[in-house]
Amino acid sequence: EADIYQTPRYLVIGTGKKITLECSQTMGHDKMYWYQQDPGMELHLIHYSYGVNSTEKGDLSSESTVSRIRTEHFPLTLESARPSHTSQYLCASTRLTNTGELFFGEGSRLTVL
Amino acid sequence: DAKTTQPNSMESNEEEPVHLPCNHSTISGTDYIHWYRQLPSQGPEYVIHGLTSNVNNRMASLAIAEDRKSSTLILHRATLRDAAVYYCTVSGGSNYKLTFGKGTLLTVNP
Repeated sequence: EADIYQTPRYLVIGTGKKITLECSQTMGHDKMYWYQQDPGMELHLIHYSYGVNSTEKGDLSSESTVSRIRTEHFPLTLESARPSHTSQYLCASTRLTNTGELFFGEGSRLTVL
Repeated sequence: DAKTTQPNSMESNEEEPVHLPCNHSTISGTDYIHWYRQLPSQGPEYVIHGLTSNVNNRMASLAIAEDRKSSTLILHRATLRDAAVYYCTVSGGSNYKLTFGKGTLLTVNP
């Protein structure tokens, strides 16, 4: 069973609020990722990190930001949430190899009213 | 990253084998082929991966074409719990990031 945790699982907030989605893993993985997925649609990579103090933007442009101050923690922040940010956000991690299994969290489903 | 093409949906009967195809004609020599699946309301989970040779594990088998431009995920005896969206993706090298298409929605009939 994967040791990667996301909180909150569900969040409903109003427009303009600042939110942070938490992602933590206890496997010591260097690589971590954030994906965005709308219902019935594909996963889009929005951020990734190869280690502490390393963050990169993914294939899909996102207004969110991420930080990687500790190996086990990779939070995602939206400074001012909008209805267009309504989606599911999935965090994943893997070892620093080119074939490693990606472990996913259960996701954070965000609804912005 | 190489793109993949999968059928939007497939249907199977319980306890019958299922063959899920994937085309990845632009795959490079160092790219691995990965399969994940996503059950409703969950994050994706790893199924299997391979480079050139066919691979087997407790969940499934992966058959890779000789030219590596296509692969097939084989579920030997489908169960109702195998109903999910199955994603085929290719990646490799030091810049390791997996991109997922829409996948194949597998329906398993009792």
